[in-house]
Amino acid sequence: EVQLVESGGGMIQPGGSLRLSCAASGFTFDDYAMHWVRQAPGKGLEWVSLISGDGGNTYYADSVQGRFTVSRDNSKNSLYLQMNSLRPEDAALYYCAKDYEATDAFDVWGQGTMVTVSS
Amino acid sequence: QSALTQPASVSGSPGQSITISCTGTSRDVGGYNYVSWYQQHPGKAPKLMIYEVSNRPSGVPDRFSGSKSGNTASLIISGLQAEDEADYYCSSYTSSTTVLFGGGTKLTVL
Repeated sequence: EVQLVESGGGMIQPGGSLRLSCAASGFTFDDYAMHWVRQAPGKGLEWVSLISGDGGNTYYADSVQGRFTVSRDNSKNSLYLQMNSLRPEDAALYYCAKDYEATDAFDVWGQGTMVTVSS
Repeated sequence: QSALTQPASVSGSPGQSITISCTGTSRDVGGYNYVSWYQQHPGKAPKLMIYEVSNRPSGVPDRFSGSKSGNTASLIISGLQAEDEADYYCSSYTSSTTVLFGGGTKLTVL
Protein backbone atom coordinates (compact mmCIF):
# COMPACT_ATOMS: atom_id res chain seq x y z
CA GLU A 1 0.00 0.00 0.00
CA VAL A 2 1.31 3.42 -0.96
CA GLN A 3 1.48 5.54 2.18
CA LEU A 4 2.87 8.80 3.52
CA VAL A 5 3.03 9.49 7.25
CA GLU A 6 4.00 12.92 8.57
CA SER A 7 5.32 13.68 12.04
CA GLY A 8 7.08 16.41 13.97
CA GLY A 9 4.34 18.98 14.32
CA GLY A 10 3.59 20.76 17.55
CA MET A 11 3.30 24.12 19.24
CA ILE A 12 6.19 26.52 18.90
CA GLN A 13 6.76 30.17 19.79
CA PRO A 14 7.20 32.81 17.08
CA GLY A 15 10.80 32.86 15.90
CA GLY A 16 11.30 29.22 16.78
CA SER A 17 12.25 26.23 14.63
CA LEU A 18 10.65 22.89 13.89
CA ARG A 19 11.54 19.95 11.68
CA LEU A 20 8.81 17.96 10.01
CA SER A 21 9.32 14.43 8.69
CA CYS A 22 7.41 12.33 6.18
CA ALA A 23 7.92 8.56 5.98
CA ALA A 24 7.09 7.01 2.61
CA SER A 25 6.28 3.39 1.82
CA GLY A 26 4.83 1.29 -0.97
CA PHE A 27 6.60 2.96 -3.90
CA THR A 28 10.12 3.56 -5.18
CA PHE A 29 10.73 6.77 -3.25
CA ASP A 30 13.66 8.16 -5.21
CA ASP A 31 11.75 7.91 -8.50
CA TYR A 32 9.45 10.74 -7.49
CA ALA A 33 9.58 14.40 -6.66
CA MET A 34 7.90 15.24 -3.37
CA HIS A 35 6.02 18.30 -2.15
CA TRP A 36 4.94 19.97 1.06
CA VAL A 37 1.50 21.60 1.07
CA ARG A 38 -0.10 23.37 4.03
CA GLN A 39 -3.61 24.33 5.06
CA ALA A 40 -4.34 26.85 7.78
CA PRO A 41 -7.42 26.05 9.89
CA GLY A 42 -10.56 26.77 7.89
CA LYS A 43 -8.52 28.02 4.91
CA GLY A 44 -7.45 26.76 1.52
CA LEU A 45 -4.44 24.80 0.34
CA GLU A 46 -1.07 26.50 -0.07
CA TRP A 47 1.85 24.88 -1.84
CA VAL A 48 5.06 25.21 0.20
CA SER A 49 7.95 23.38 -1.40
CA LEU A 50 9.14 20.83 -3.96
CA ILE A 51 12.20 18.59 -4.05
CA SER A 52 13.29 16.48 -7.00
CA GLY A 53 13.71 12.73 -6.73
CA ASP A 54 17.47 12.90 -6.33
CA GLY A 55 17.25 15.87 -3.98
CA GLY A 56 19.31 18.04 -6.29
CA ASN A 57 16.63 20.61 -7.04
CA THR A 58 14.45 22.43 -4.55
CA TYR A 59 11.81 25.12 -4.94
CA TYR A 60 9.86 27.21 -2.46
CA ALA A 61 6.84 29.47 -2.21
CA ASP A 62 7.75 33.13 -1.77
CA SER A 63 6.11 33.06 1.68
CA VAL A 64 8.69 30.58 3.05
CA GLN A 65 11.74 31.24 0.85
CA GLY A 66 14.83 31.74 3.01
CA ARG A 67 13.18 30.35 6.17
CA PHE A 68 12.22 26.78 5.20
CA THR A 69 14.49 24.06 3.80
CA VAL A 70 13.26 20.87 2.19
CA SER A 71 15.46 17.77 2.06
CA ARG A 72 15.17 14.03 1.63
CA ASP A 73 17.06 10.88 2.59
CA ASN A 74 16.33 8.32 -0.10
CA SER A 75 18.11 5.60 1.88
CA LYS A 76 15.47 6.07 4.57
CA ASN A 77 12.51 6.80 2.26
CA SER A 78 12.04 10.03 4.15
CA LEU A 79 11.24 13.65 3.37
CA TYR A 80 11.91 16.56 5.70
CA LEU A 81 10.98 20.21 6.12
CA GLN A 82 13.17 22.35 8.34
CA MET A 83 11.20 25.42 9.38
CA ASN A 84 13.06 28.36 10.94
CA SER A 85 11.97 31.84 12.03
CA LEU A 86 8.40 30.64 12.36
CA ARG A 87 5.60 33.19 12.21
CA PRO A 88 1.98 33.01 13.38
CA GLU A 89 0.91 32.83 9.72
CA ASP A 90 2.87 29.57 9.33
CA ALA A 91 0.38 27.81 11.61
CA ALA A 92 -1.27 25.10 9.54
CA LEU A 93 -1.73 21.42 8.87
CA TYR A 94 1.31 20.40 6.83
CA TYR A 95 0.88 17.62 4.28
CA CYS A 96 3.57 15.82 2.35
CA ALA A 97 2.48 14.73 -1.11
CA LYS A 98 3.89 12.58 -3.89
CA ASP A 99 4.26 14.07 -7.35
CA TYR A 100 2.24 12.26 -10.02
CA GLU A 101 4.38 11.33 -13.02
CA ALA A 102 6.19 14.71 -13.17
CA THR A 103 2.95 16.61 -13.70
CA ASP A 104 3.10 18.75 -10.53
CA ALA A 105 -0.10 17.01 -9.48
CA PHE A 106 -0.22 15.26 -6.11
CA ASP A 107 -1.61 11.74 -6.18
CA VAL A 108 -0.72 10.52 -2.69
CA TRP A 109 -1.14 12.61 0.46
CA GLY A 110 -0.34 11.97 4.09
CA GLN A 111 -2.75 12.68 6.91
CA GLY A 112 -0.89 15.86 7.83
CA THR A 113 0.91 17.12 10.93
CA MET A 114 -0.30 20.23 12.74
CA VAL A 115 1.98 23.19 13.44
CA THR A 116 0.83 25.86 15.87
CA VAL A 117 2.81 29.08 16.25
CA SER A 118 1.83 31.02 19.33
CA SER A 119 3.38 32.73 22.30
CA GLN B 1 1.93 35.32 -6.21
CA SER B 2 -1.82 35.57 -5.77
CA ALA B 3 -3.94 32.45 -5.62
CA LEU B 4 -5.82 31.32 -8.69
CA THR B 5 -9.40 32.61 -8.70
CA GLN B 6 -12.24 30.20 -8.01
CA PRO B 7 -15.87 30.93 -7.07
CA ALA B 8 -16.37 30.60 -3.34
CA SER B 9 -19.37 28.32 -3.76
CA VAL B 10 -21.46 26.48 -6.32
CA SER B 11 -24.50 24.30 -5.91
CA GLY B 12 -26.60 21.86 -7.87
CA SER B 13 -29.25 19.23 -7.50
CA PRO B 14 -28.62 15.50 -7.78
CA GLY B 15 -28.31 14.47 -11.41
CA GLN B 16 -27.45 17.95 -12.61
CA SER B 17 -24.13 19.18 -13.97
CA ILE B 18 -22.01 21.95 -12.48
CA THR B 19 -18.86 23.75 -13.57
CA ILE B 20 -16.17 25.22 -11.33
CA SER B 21 -13.87 27.76 -12.94
CA CYS B 22 -10.25 28.49 -12.11
CA THR B 23 -8.77 31.68 -13.52
CA GLY B 24 -5.10 32.51 -13.60
CA THR B 25 -2.70 34.23 -15.95
CA SER B 26 -0.46 33.42 -18.88
CA ARG B 27 2.29 32.69 -16.34
CA ASP B 28 0.39 29.75 -14.88
CA VAL B 29 -2.94 28.33 -16.12
CA GLY B 30 -2.68 29.86 -19.58
CA GLY B 31 0.94 28.98 -20.11
CA TYR B 32 1.03 25.30 -19.22
CA ASN B 33 -1.13 22.19 -19.38
CA TYR B 34 -0.29 21.33 -15.79
CA VAL B 35 -3.63 22.14 -14.19
CA SER B 36 -4.94 19.76 -11.55
CA TRP B 37 -8.13 19.49 -9.50
CA TYR B 38 -8.58 18.13 -5.98
CA GLN B 39 -11.60 17.12 -3.94
CA GLN B 40 -11.46 17.53 -0.16
CA HIS B 41 -14.07 16.29 2.27
CA PRO B 42 -14.11 17.78 5.79
CA GLY B 43 -11.29 16.49 7.94
CA LYS B 44 -9.75 14.52 5.09
CA ALA B 45 -6.69 14.93 2.91
CA PRO B 46 -7.28 16.19 -0.63
CA LYS B 47 -7.83 13.66 -3.43
CA LEU B 48 -6.52 14.11 -6.96
CA MET B 49 -9.43 14.16 -9.43
CA ILE B 50 -7.91 15.63 -12.63
CA TYR B 51 -4.32 16.18 -13.78
CA GLU B 52 -2.84 17.79 -16.89
CA VAL B 53 -6.08 19.74 -17.47
CA SER B 54 -8.30 16.84 -18.46
CA ASN B 55 -6.82 13.49 -17.43
CA ARG B 56 -8.43 11.34 -14.74
CA PRO B 57 -6.35 9.12 -12.45
CA SER B 58 -7.42 5.53 -12.17
CA GLY B 59 -10.52 5.16 -9.99
CA VAL B 60 -11.96 8.63 -10.54
CA PRO B 61 -15.47 8.41 -12.06
CA ASP B 62 -15.88 9.68 -15.62
CA ARG B 63 -18.53 12.06 -14.28
CA PHE B 64 -15.54 14.29 -13.52
CA SER B 65 -13.93 16.06 -16.45
CA GLY B 66 -11.66 19.04 -17.03
CA SER B 67 -10.96 21.58 -19.73
CA LYS B 68 -9.07 24.80 -20.33
CA SER B 69 -9.54 27.88 -22.47
CA GLY B 70 -6.97 30.64 -22.33
CA ASN B 71 -6.22 31.52 -18.72
CA THR B 72 -9.27 29.72 -17.31
CA ALA B 73 -9.55 26.04 -16.48
CA SER B 74 -12.80 24.32 -15.59
CA LEU B 75 -13.89 21.26 -13.66
CA ILE B 76 -17.18 19.79 -14.80
CA ILE B 77 -19.10 17.33 -12.67
CA SER B 78 -22.03 15.68 -14.41
CA GLY B 79 -24.73 13.54 -12.82
CA LEU B 80 -24.17 15.15 -9.41
CA GLN B 81 -24.31 12.80 -6.45
CA ALA B 82 -24.62 13.52 -2.74
CA GLU B 83 -21.08 12.29 -2.11
CA ASP B 84 -19.71 14.94 -4.47
CA GLU B 85 -20.44 17.58 -1.83
CA ALA B 86 -16.96 18.76 -0.83
CA ASP B 87 -14.41 21.53 -1.33
CA TYR B 88 -12.66 21.60 -4.69
CA TYR B 89 -9.27 23.16 -5.42
CA CYS B 90 -7.47 23.78 -8.68
CA SER B 91 -3.71 24.07 -8.96
CA SER B 92 -1.27 25.02 -11.70
CA TYR B 93 2.41 24.89 -12.40
CA THR B 94 3.84 28.40 -12.81
CA SER B 95 6.64 30.06 -14.74
CA SER B 96 8.48 30.51 -11.43
CA THR B 97 8.78 26.71 -11.12
CA THR B 98 6.28 26.74 -8.28
CA VAL B 99 2.74 25.48 -7.85
CA LEU B 100 -0.21 27.78 -7.23
CA PHE B 101 -3.55 26.71 -5.76
CA GLY B 102 -6.93 28.29 -6.18
CA GLY B 103 -8.79 29.62 -3.16
CA GLY B 104 -11.19 26.67 -3.19
CA THR B 105 -14.86 26.20 -4.05
CA LYS B 106 -17.47 24.70 -1.75
CA LEU B 107 -19.85 22.47 -3.69
CA THR B 108 -23.26 21.98 -2.15
CA VAL B 109 -25.54 19.25 -3.46
CA LEU B 110 -29.07 20.47 -2.81
